[in-house]
Amino acid sequence: EDQVTQSPEALRLQEGESSSLNCSYTVSGLRGLFWYRQDPGKGPEFLFTLYSAGEEKEKERLKATLTKKESFLHITAPKPEDSATYLCAVQVGGGGNKLTFGTGTQLKVEL
Amino acid sequence: GAVVSQHPSWVICKSGTSVKIECRSLDFQATTMFWYRQFPKQSLMLMATSNEGSKATYEQGVEKDKFLINHASLTLSTLTVTSAHPEDSSFYICSARGQRDSYNEQFFGPGTRLTVL
Repeated sequence: EDQVTQSPEALRLQEGESSSLNCSYTVSGLRGLFWYRQDPGKGPEFLFTLYSAGEEKEKERLKATLTKKESFLHITAPKPEDSATYLCAVQVGGGGNKLTFGTGTQLKVEL
Repeated sequence: GAVVSQHPSWVICKSGTSVKIECRSLDFQATTMFWYRQFPKQSLMLMATSNEGSKATYEQGVEKDKFLINHASLTLSTLTVTSAHPEDSSFYICSARGQRDSYNEQFFGPGTRLTVL
């Protein structure tokens, strides 16, 4: 069974304090790994898709990386507006286009 | 681009009534739409996948007679919760995947908060 585990469950950072969120996965035939941001009471907002080990993508203060077993979302010099729940999801070959989500990391960035 | 809307954003209904939620892709044609449910402090759980013009595929444990899905056009899918009960209260979110350059991504709607009294 495909499994996606995110850690930590919650993370509190000071503004400017860089850190990384982890997404570990056990799947058969990864087709893509997705990162989303979700604000309270809203739908997830797409951030990145990674397709193969070694791939990296960046957007503003966020950088996502992928290995054969896990993905990291690095947050550089975060700001309070980066506070949100960050979700990762996997898509496997032969599973149609459906996504299996992890439980998320709730990030709070304080002044 | 890649905007998905949902209506209503929230709904309160009495137990035993039915509720319809609409999901629209506003600036692209969605060949596939997905419906998720999210309980407080939990992640998204896929309920069903619908392809335009064909029957929806439901995940294990999801009652297809209770959660009716229609995907009649490339821009609209509806989820009807029939004979709703308090345990159906949840945050329902749809997503859409279309024929774009970034064809593999799913774009999510803002969600619908359902409360069944």
